[in-house]
Amino acid sequence: DAKTTQPPSMDCAEGRAANLPCNHSTISGNEYVYWYRQIHSQGPQYIIHGLKNNETNEMASLIITEDRKSSTLILPHATLRDTAVYYCIVRVKAGNQFYFGTGTSLTVIP
Amino acid sequence: DSGVTQTPKHLITATGQRVTLRCSPRSGDLSVYWYQQSLDQGLQFLIQYYNGEERAKGNILERFSAQQFPDLHSELNLSSLELGDSALYFCASSVPLSPGQGDSNYGYTFGSGTRLTVV
Repeated sequence: DAKTTQPPSMDCAEGRAANLPCNHSTISGNEYVYWYRQIHSQGPQYIIHGLKNNETNEMASLIITEDRKSSTLILPHATLRDTAVYYCIVRVKAGNQFYFGTGTSLTVIP
Repeated sequence: DSGVTQTPKHLITATGQRVTLRCSPRSGDLSVYWYQQSLDQGLQFLIQYYNGEERAKGNILERFSAQQFPDLHSELNLSSLELGDSALYFCASSVPLSPGQGDSNYGYTFGSGTRLTVV
C-alpha cells in the first residue's frame, strides 16, 4: 500500500549533508509527506512533514517539488547517530494510518 | 522516553500458545495503532483504535485481536502462535482526532516495541 519509492540504501560522510530522495508521483492534493526514521529496531521516530512548502525543524529540512511528485529530506550535518532506515510516507487520504514502505538505509561513514 | 509504554519488552513462548501485549499511549492521545515488523516484511499496519472503538484494520490475522480500554490503554492478543509470528510489535499513539478528521497533519509517537519470539 506504500505510495512512495525510495532508494534502498545510501552512504554519507560524517559532517556532510545527507540528501534522501523520495518519489510520490500519485500523491493527492491534500495528502501530506511525512518522514520517519528507525534506528536499529527501535520504534520509528518522527522527523518532519509537509504539504506544499519547504519545511525545516531542528532535525532536518524537507524540500517538496512544485508538482509535489517528489521530495528530499536533508540532514544538514550527518553524524554517526543518524545511521538508520528512513521512511518517506504519504498519509492515506481516507484515514489516519501510516503505511511504511521499505525505506532507505542510510549509513553515515566516519 | 517517547511517552508510549509497551510491555513486556521481550516475550518468548511456544507455538500454539496465546500472549497479550500491552500499550499505554501518551497522555491525552486517543488513537492507538499496532504495527508488526518481521525481518522480511517491514512495518505492517495491523489495527487502529480511537477512544475505545476500532477505527481501521490492516493486515491483521484472524488469530490476532485487539481492544482499547476506557483508560485508553490497548492490548493486542495473539493466539495459536506460529513460528512466523515472531516479530517486533510496535504500538503508536497520536493526538486526538475527531471522527472523520482524515486530513490531520499530526504524526505518530511510537513505543519501543515488544520483541516476540515463538519457539
